[in-house]
Amino acid sequence: NAGVTQTPKFRVLKTGQSMTLLCAQDMNHEYMYWYRQDPGMGLRLIHYSVGEGTTAKGEVPDGYNVSRLKKQNFLLGLESAAPSQTSVYFCASREGYGNTIYFGEGSWLTVV
Amino acid sequence: EDKVVQSPLSLVVHEGDTVTLNCSYEVTNFRSLLWYKQEKKAPTFLFMLTSSGIEKKSGRLSSILDKKELFSILNITATQTGDSAIYLCAVSYNDYKLSFGAGTTVTVRA
Repeated sequence: NAGVTQTPKFRVLKTGQSMTLLCAQDMNHEYMYWYRQDPGMGLRLIHYSVGEGTTAKGEVPDGYNVSRLKKQNFLLGLESAAPSQTSVYFCASREGYGNTIYFGEGSWLTVV
Repeated sequence: EDKVVQSPLSLVVHEGDTVTLNCSYEVTNFRSLLWYKQEKKAPTFLFMLTSSGIEKKSGRLSSILDKKELFSILNITATQTGDSAIYLCAVSYNDYKLSFGAGTTVTVRA
């Protein structure tokens, strides 16, 4: 019973490098979200998706891109990493807007 | 602008004390309010509230929602060191959006 799985869990990047975080859920959920968490700032929404092939911007989308080519996967891309993107990234999913959300274990990203 | 505000940002209590955490919101098309507890890793679900005035309870934790005054409180009675965590409030609105407050860091000292 995997739930929501994020890869990788830890990564160190150099400024300007690119990378992709993968989120996979096996619960057939429609809605998926990417958040970043920084000290004292709670969870801030980067991008979200309400179904396969759809994506939308959240509160802090700049510097990130996303894709949802398959219902079970939600990818978060950093095209040119910056030190300000050092953070913990959480993926989450839920069946519908009346339901609770389930989180992945988090991905710790450091940009040097 | 839609927003979710939690208070206080942090507090320190001693074992056995009672803690009350606040979450206020201003959003369009409110759907539900959720409380989460976060320790080392991912947040874990505590409560989901959709109706005013109905208390939800789980052990020493309880929560209630006031949709007229746009806030919710989370109570923890007889606190234990294991209650030390960040408590997050989230509001679901406009069908798909889910926004979090900054969180309240609770430290329980033995």
